[in-house]
Amino acid sequence: GENVEQHPSTLSVQEGDSAVIKCTYSDSASNYFPWYKQELGKRPQLIIDIRSNVGEKKDQRIAVTLNKTAKHFSLHITETQPEDSAVYFCAASSNQGGKLIFGQGTELSVKP
Amino acid sequence: DTAVSQTPKYLVTQMGNDKSIKCEQNLGHDTMYWYKQDSKKFLKIMFSYNNKELIINETVPNRFSPKSPDKAHLNLHINSLELGDSAVYFCASSPRTGGNSPLHFGNGTRLTVT
Repeated sequence: GENVEQHPSTLSVQEGDSAVIKCTYSDSASNYFPWYKQELGKRPQLIIDIRSNVGEKKDQRIAVTLNKTAKHFSLHITETQPEDSAVYFCAASSNQGGKLIFGQGTELSVKP
Repeated sequence: DTAVSQTPKYLVTQMGNDKSIKCEQNLGHDTMYWYKQDSKKFLKIMFSYNNKELIINETVPNRFSPKSPDKAHLNLHINSLELGDSAVYFCASSPRTGGNSPLHFGNGTRLTVT
């Protein structure tokens, strides 16, 4: 079945710097890759997603890139702000698998 | 205005007890899920229902029994609670099955078994 590996597990940056979180997946049939942000004590919320027919997607300060050949995808946050501090999860799924498999999470801390 | 609502928010109980968590979504989605988030924050799928029909059961002990009376509701009943069941349980829904559509999570139920 699908396996999603996420790195790093913790990431600390200064306000204004960029942050990059990387994920790899094992199932070549995976075609949907969302990213979720979970603030302390709250529910995971979708921040951006990408499908396998697209290599890159951007939404303001957030961008996601996908390399299908290498089976990895990344989240890029530019001009980080303290409110970006949270746990970020990548995930992958396929039509056949029928379920979203999450990475282990990255705890991002943005220091003012 | 929460689209996926689950109750209770907190549940503290003793080992061996039986408890239930309820979930309702008003998004008109066809598919609902239960995820378990352990102390290390790992989110693991437990069950998935599509229009009241069980489609995914991820090797969860049979002490856990989901029930979906209609496509807007998915409840989780847990028998003979164990210490290792302590976690946050998230209900979620998505527009369609197949896994490749966004999940909308409820606010979670923090279960503590003492």
